[in-house]
Amino acid sequence: NAGVTQTPKFQVLKTGQSMTLQCAQDMNHEYMSWYRQDPGMGLRLIHYSVGAGITDQGEVPNGYNVSRSTTEDFPLRLLSAAPSQTSVYFCASSYSGQGIVGYTFGSGTRLTVV
Amino acid sequence: DAKTTQPNSMESNEEEPVHLPCNHSTISGTDYIHWYRQLPSQGPEYVIHGLTSNVNNRMASLAIAEDRKSSTLILHRATLRDAAVYYCILRDYSGNQFYFGTGTSLTVIP
Repeated sequence: NAGVTQTPKFQVLKTGQSMTLQCAQDMNHEYMSWYRQDPGMGLRLIHYSVGAGITDQGEVPNGYNVSRSTTEDFPLRLLSAAPSQTSVYFCASSYSGQGIVGYTFGSGTRLTVV
Repeated sequence: DAKTTQPNSMESNEEEPVHLPCNHSTISGTDYIHWYRQLPSQGPEYVIHGLTSNVNNRMASLAIAEDRKSSTLILHRATLRDAAVYYCILRDYSGNQFYFGTGTSLTVIP
């Protein structure tokens, strides 16, 4: 199994450009989420989904949109990139959002906005 | 989710046991204690989790205090590949959110 796959691994954007970070999992996990990690800091939750068609905001949702049309995919959209969105983005999935199980993380997308 | 407190950094000699502490004095009865680690330039990796009883798996052991206000991740024999940032996180049984702190950076000395 591939686990959680994130693409692209690296991306440079100009301020104001839009893009979509892709996240796919092949474990039939219902729960998926997006985090950002800034230098020297822990991960902060952006958005999450408990199943297809259901999404909700996390700690830092501003500037990001998500949708969940299938169980496998959970893309993160930046509508108008800003330098403050320069970060490493991680996608994670789990059988459940509840605390009884652990998460599987992707390897990350390193985004630079200039 | 409740907050956790961890030392910023720790060192260990290779092939010796490592005890990584975590304080969570405001833990509630339904909070699970999770540990993840993050190797350089990689995504976080699940290590272990527990509720009340001590837990063991192939990677580590988790010792939970009787009052559940603290826990310790135990790596029985540190290797150079264990050098990482270790995060202690609390997650409610019914919660769908998951907050990371800044973790403990573990250095393993050859």
